[in-house]
Amino acid sequence: GQQLNQSPQSMFIQEGEDVSMNCTSSSIFNTWLWYKQEPGEGPVLLIALYKAGELTSNGRLTAQFGITRKDSFLNISASIPSDVGIYFCAAPVLDNYGQNFVFGPGTRLSVLP
Amino acid sequence: EAQVTQNPRYLITVTGKKLTVTCSQNMNHEYMSWYRQDPGLGLRQIYYSMNVEVTDKGDVPEGYKVSRKEKRNFPLILESPSPNQTSLYFCASRARGNTEAFFGQGTRLTVV
Repeated sequence: GQQLNQSPQSMFIQEGEDVSMNCTSSSIFNTWLWYKQEPGEGPVLLIALYKAGELTSNGRLTAQFGITRKDSFLNISASIPSDVGIYFCAAPVLDNYGQNFVFGPGTRLSVLP
Repeated sequence: EAQVTQNPRYLITVTGKKLTVTCSQNMNHEYMSWYRQDPGLGLRQIYYSMNVEVTDKGDVPEGYKVSRKEKRNFPLILESPSPNQTSLYFCASRARGNTEAFFGQGTRLTVV
């Protein structure tokens, strides 16, 4: 099936630093989603992107829909301890009934005080 | 409060002993899914359901069963659990036509 790749797999940063991560695929998508999973919780949607080239912000988070439609990027500015978690990208795939979603393997973020 | 509720949160069981993990959502969503999360592999879909009595296999359905007799409930059944089913399981729901999925808090299952 269609597969999403995320990099880096994990990262350790100092509080206050900016963070960049990406999600790539060999397939073209018309939607990209970014979720965050905090320790002990289920993933929560952060940002949804619907158009190639689109740049969308949610507080200190900014995500971009790649021009090729095969990738997406998530940036976090001025990281704080509560940014710790696993960040997943997701994209829709067609199934027998309509639309399903595939998730990337995640980027695990650790923020050092 | 809109939510997806899974039970139990933690479960340790023995090989071969049938178990059910329940999932319930109060948002009247048509679409429900089960995922397992393993280190380095992200979220892999086990089964999903587009509506009552409509289910289909995801990427890793072997060893699992589901049912969707009511819109709000989507239980995950392991008829004969094995140690390779030790994992963190998530249920999610979504309204038809929407992209946002709402996840439960997860069920950590250990099969010994």
